[in-house]
Amino acid sequence: KNEVEQSPQNLTAQEGEFITINCSYSVGISALHWLQQHPGGGIVSLFMLSSGKKKHGRLIATINIQEKHSSLHITASHPRDSAVYICAVYLPQRGGGADGLTFGKGTHLIIQP
Amino acid sequence: DTGVSQDPRHKITKRGQNVTFRCDPISEHNRLYWYRQTLGQGPEFLTYFQNEAQLEKSRLLSDRFSAERPKGSFSTLEIQRTEQGDSAMYLCASSGGINEQFFGPGTRLTVL
Repeated sequence: KNEVEQSPQNLTAQEGEFITINCSYSVGISALHWLQQHPGGGIVSLFMLSSGKKKHGRLIATINIQEKHSSLHITASHPRDSAVYICAVYLPQRGGGADGLTFGKGTHLIIQP
Repeated sequence: DTGVSQDPRHKITKRGQNVTFRCDPISEHNRLYWYRQTLGQGPEFLTYFQNEAQLEKSRLLSDRFSAERPKGSFSTLEIQRTEQGDSAMYLCASSGGINEQFFGPGTRLTVL
């Protein structure tokens, strides 16, 4: 079982729709990232959060530490939002004290005009 | 532009050949990470440096893989005797603070 689960895996929506992508993780974490990856591979960090809610433009990220769950919302979605959205967390140890991220498999979002 | 650069962006090689990738982190970032991403999957942690010290290596990093960061600035990832299963996107990220990471554009490796 993957330690970080995302849903849905694929999402196609019409321009203007409100989008929600969910992320659940199995153990306590220190922080969670939402990342965006466009075709071609480059990853951009959208949010890093450890509690509560953050907003940037049309993007909103929330996290519930007790429920081990985070959501990424996109309001007034646009075709340029089409990308893979990845949830990543810092999990307690793989051993040795490193803090590399553990990633979900990503949600492939397509916004149609 | 995140400031992390990787070279080359694409590499096609034949099975059995050695390849080396380079990552230049954001200057003064003391932490550097390597990840691997196969098609349709999220990235997976490979290894991590704090300054020049390699502090952790994933079990994914077989003995054909070696990473260095000799002066605590740029890093190289070498794969010896490449196999088709090594085909993936190799991502580098750097960090200057707790929990944040800035990603490079990745190097896409294709092993024929």
